[in-house]
Amino acid sequence: GQNIDQPTEMTATEGAIVQINCTYQTSGFNGLFWYQQHAGEAPTFLSYNVLDGLEEKGRFSSFLSRSKGYSYLLLKELQMKDSASYLCAVRDYNSGAGSYQLTFGKGTKLSVIP
Amino acid sequence: ETGVTQSPTHLIKTRGQQVTLRCSSQSGHNTVSWYQQALGQGPQFIFQYYREEENGRGNFPPRFSGLQFPNYSSELNVNALELDDSALYLCASTVDREPGELFFGEGSRLTVL
Repeated sequence: GQNIDQPTEMTATEGAIVQINCTYQTSGFNGLFWYQQHAGEAPTFLSYNVLDGLEEKGRFSSFLSRSKGYSYLLLKELQMKDSASYLCAVRDYNSGAGSYQLTFGKGTKLSVIP
Repeated sequence: ETGVTQSPTHLIKTRGQQVTLRCSSQSGHNTVSWYQQALGQGPQFIFQYYREEENGRGNFPPRFSGLQFPNYSSELNVNALELDDSALYLCASTVDREPGELFFGEGSRLTVL
């Protein structure tokens, strides 16, 4: 099974930088994903890490340390529209099912204030 | 717009009834997975279909079942509904059998009374 932990809520100011952490425990690790979900909407893909290090994509960056079971999502130059839930998801191989599965954390609700 | 459509968007059922939810995948996507998302929680993996066969299942009882059709559209069926089945049901498609960049539909919100 998997155990994925991320903070429940965070608040940050418009224009600032915020880091959302995610820790996980799993076997058969095969990648870590971040999704954004606005209230009442479907999740949308943000980033993917399979090797250690930082992946940058515009204002968003994601970091992975496989040895520490740790990832973070960094959001720069925060905008009001960034207020959403951010979901950390781990892909691992389920040997019993013979397939890969994506398991989500409970999400971090980010509120961006003026 | 992800190209994944789900129906119905909202529905209300009573305990013990059965429900069928439908999903039309993005064109060219041969893998579909279903998730249950309770309020304030992350999506919970129900099962995945690849080329019409189930190839992965989460910790959900057998009364949750599914189908994938030759055109890669999909159904989720839930029998003997319970109050705790009230949730948003999300369908997601991808182009290969290793889930990753999933393209989600807007979901079907089920309320069980």
